[in-house]
Parts: sequence; C-alpha cells; structure tokens
Amino acid sequence: QQPVQSPQAVILREGEDAVINCSSSKALYSVHWYRQKHGEAPVFLMILLKGGEQKGHDKISASFNEKKQQSSLYLTASQLSYSGTYFCGTESRGGADGLTFGKGTHLIIQP
Amino acid sequence: GAVVSQHPSWVICKSGTSVKIECRSLDFQATTMFWYRQFPKQSLMLMATSNEGSKATYEQGVEKDKFLINHASLTLSTLTVTSAHPEDSSFYICSASQPNQPQHFGDGTRLSIL
Repeated sequence: QQPVQSPQAVILREGEDAVINCSSSKALYSVHWYRQKHGEAPVFLMILLKGGEQKGHDKISASFNEKKQQSSLYLTASQLSYSGTYFCGTESRGGADGLTFGKGTHLIIQP
Repeated sequence: GAVVSQHPSWVICKSGTSVKIECRSLDFQATTMFWYRQFPKQSLMLMATSNEGSKATYEQGVEKDKFLINHASLTLSTLTVTSAHPEDSSFYICSASQPNQPQHFGDGTRLSIL
C-alpha cells in the first residue's frame, strides 16, 4: 500500500520551519526521502533504516519510528531552494525491492 | 557520488512507434535496476524490477509485453515501450541499486506520443 504523506501542500516564508510526515500501514524496513523540482528527476535526500534512527545534514533532518511505521522530515530555517515536491518512498524488505512512494507534499517557500 | 545515466532525456514520436530507453550505472555495478513511471502531477509508480541476467518482475497492471525490459549487464538496463500510444506519454525514470544501498535515480526520460 501507498504510504500516506501529510500535509499535501504547505507554503512558508523563507526562514520558517516545516515538518512533512509519512505513514505506512505495513511494517517497514526503510524510508527514503526525495525532493523533486518540476520537470526534473527526484533527488535523494536521505534513507532511514529500521531500528529507529534520526539523520540529518545541513538544515534537513528526519526521524523514523519503526513501531509506528512513521517517518518525519524536518526542514529548519527553510531556504528558497527547498521548494519542490517531497516524496517518501518505503520498502518492506531490505535489498532489492522497489520503493512505494507517497503522493508527495508540495512545499513552496516564498521570499 | 553514484551516477546513473538515462538516455534519451526527451522523446517525441508518432503513435505506433517503439521507443527504447537506456539506463546505465556509470561508476558502480547495479545488481538491481528499477523502472518507474510518473504521470503529470502524480507520484512515481514502480513498473518493474530488473535483476541482471534474469527476467524482470512486473508490478500488477503493467503489461510485460508492452514494456520490454532487458538487463543484460550489471551496468545497463533498457526499457522498450512497444507500439507506444498517447496514453503511454509519461516521465519514465530508472534507478539502480546495490544490496543494502539506497537507489540512485537517473535524470528521467520524458516520453511524448503524438
């Protein structure tokens, strides 16, 4: 089943924070986060593996609650370049499964 | 970082034409390659999983006779859309992976069938 992302869309001013959630009804092995600009291929942000972990680089971080089958992506002090559609992709088995993507969260950062 | 090259980036052709899309992993050996499709304003949907040297596994609802996948080497997979029709117009994206590593996506191929 497709993971559920929330919110569907969010508009922020530059410098504000955002949280994007990804929830699955299936047990997960990993959660992948991608950002896609219009007309371009998705760009990998980070992967979180089961075992419950938190990762981050620069001002983008994410957490993965294996028990709740949820992941959240945190964008702090957002920049104009953060605009785009964020997708979470999940897999239930490690290794060679394709990802099941959520419907995406549209993020618009205004100056 | 790992690079996946996809070619061509944009194809416009007439209905009934067959179109081949190549996906190459340039600096690593990809044991598995995936093909996704993305219609406008929609999410990416997995079409098929391709392991080198074996037949591709197709997702439900994807016609294997229409979308031919060949994964002849650890660095190359091809997707051929046979007898393409306007409803096949979409953004096709491949990704390549090694065990226990994140997938690396190509830049995608925009297919427009007139």
